[in-house]
Amino acid sequence: GESVGLHLPTLSVQEGDNSIINCAYSNSASDYFIWYKQESGKGPQFIIDIRSNMDKRQGQRVTVLLNKTVKHLSLQIAATQPGDSAVYFCAENSGGSNYKLTFGKGTLLTVNP
Amino acid sequence: EADIYQTPRYLVIGTGKKITLECSQTMGHDKMYWYQQDPGMELHLIHYSYGVNSTEKGDLSSESTVSRIRTEHFPLTLESARPSHTSQYLCASSETGTLAKNIQYFGAGTRLSVL
Repeated sequence: GESVGLHLPTLSVQEGDNSIINCAYSNSASDYFIWYKQESGKGPQFIIDIRSNMDKRQGQRVTVLLNKTVKHLSLQIAATQPGDSAVYFCAENSGGSNYKLTFGKGTLLTVNP
Repeated sequence: EADIYQTPRYLVIGTGKKITLECSQTMGHDKMYWYQQDPGMELHLIHYSYGVNSTEKGDLSSESTVSRIRTEHFPLTLESARPSHTSQYLCASSETGTLAKNIQYFGAGTRLSVL
């Protein structure tokens, strides 16, 4: 079936460095993608989204890049802070007009002081 | 900040007991969802609802059932809990409309342990 997956299960960075979290998806018909952050003991929290007709979107300290040719999504976090330590999930709208999200395996980001 | 609440946060219960996990949202969202998540793993959709009296099974088969009698309330019930039901259960809601309204807002989850 269709799936969304992440290349790296864990990522460790130094405080102040930039972080890049990658995600591969297999459903070429997906038209919308979301990145979520999940801290320990909490539910996923929306970070940023991107439509399939865009290749880049920027937020506050975060940028999402979409490469439809190779079906790849990435989340870039600038000047990573200890508070960014969490598990990050990408999700795609796999339901078309039904708007159901399919989540990939998470990446654990650890920020070292 | 999402206004979606789940109770209880933690539940330890014996095999065979009937349990109901509560989920309420105050955002007036039409769509609500239940996901199951094992520690460190991805979220699996087990139930969803597009409005009152509408419920559908998700991608992951589950022995649980749901109901949607009121817009703001989407409880999940297990008639007879088993150790295999031990997991975290996450509730979410979203608006109806364009793609951007598909952002799902999550509650803090209920961590269920069945002994």
